[in-house]
Amino acid sequence: DGGITQSPKYLFRKEGQNVTLSCEQNLNHDAMYWYRQDPGQGLRLIYYSQIVNDFQKGDIAEGYSVSREKKESFPLTVTSAQKNPTAFYLCASQGYYNSPLHFGNGTRLTVT
Amino acid sequence: DQQVKQNSPSLSVQEGRISILNCDYTNSMFDYFLWYKKYPAEGPTFLISISSIKDKNEDGRFTVFLNKSAKHLSLHIVPSQPGDSAVYFCAASMNRDDKIIFGKGTRLHILP
Repeated sequence: DGGITQSPKYLFRKEGQNVTLSCEQNLNHDAMYWYRQDPGQGLRLIYYSQIVNDFQKGDIAEGYSVSREKKESFPLTVTSAQKNPTAFYLCASQGYYNSPLHFGNGTRLTVT
Repeated sequence: DQQVKQNSPSLSVQEGRISILNCDYTNSMFDYFLWYKKYPAEGPTFLISISSIKDKNEDGRFTVFLNKSAKHLSLHIVPSQPGDSAVYFCAASMNRDDKIIFGKGTRLHILP
């Protein structure tokens, strides 16, 4: 059945290493989003993409990169330049304007 | 600067009573508002939305009220049930090319 898949659920990395979080959707949605959740901070937008081969920075894009080569996929790379990478990362998709976002179940990244 | 504000970090309500969650926004160009519910270590799930052309939308136990002049919306849950204990996020967007912005969330505790 349709949905958004984020993998893995838990990810551990050493400081200084880049890491890529996967997000795949089979909802045929054009728009995809990456948010980060920290305690007391709510959901903060990292990057979003309204269409294939195009994406925009959100409010906290520094230290992150994305690509949108396929409609179904929107991977997020957390680079070594991200000062506080440990967080819960959420991917979402949206079918059309003024429709709800559909979220994956998140990836918890821990960097030590 | 926060454009979507949820000023109550937490709220406790007796089971069976009404829960009222509040949200304020600063940008009068927002034209679509959503409420999400989130359990720990899961992605948010969509509850209900409202367009700026309406002032009320109802779906079962959930009703959202929009007061555009006050830039305020609220989510009413009645009657409150134990499964309603979760974090609730308010979100807003302004046009088809713009991003969806979330508040910091309110943790709702339903007391037995």
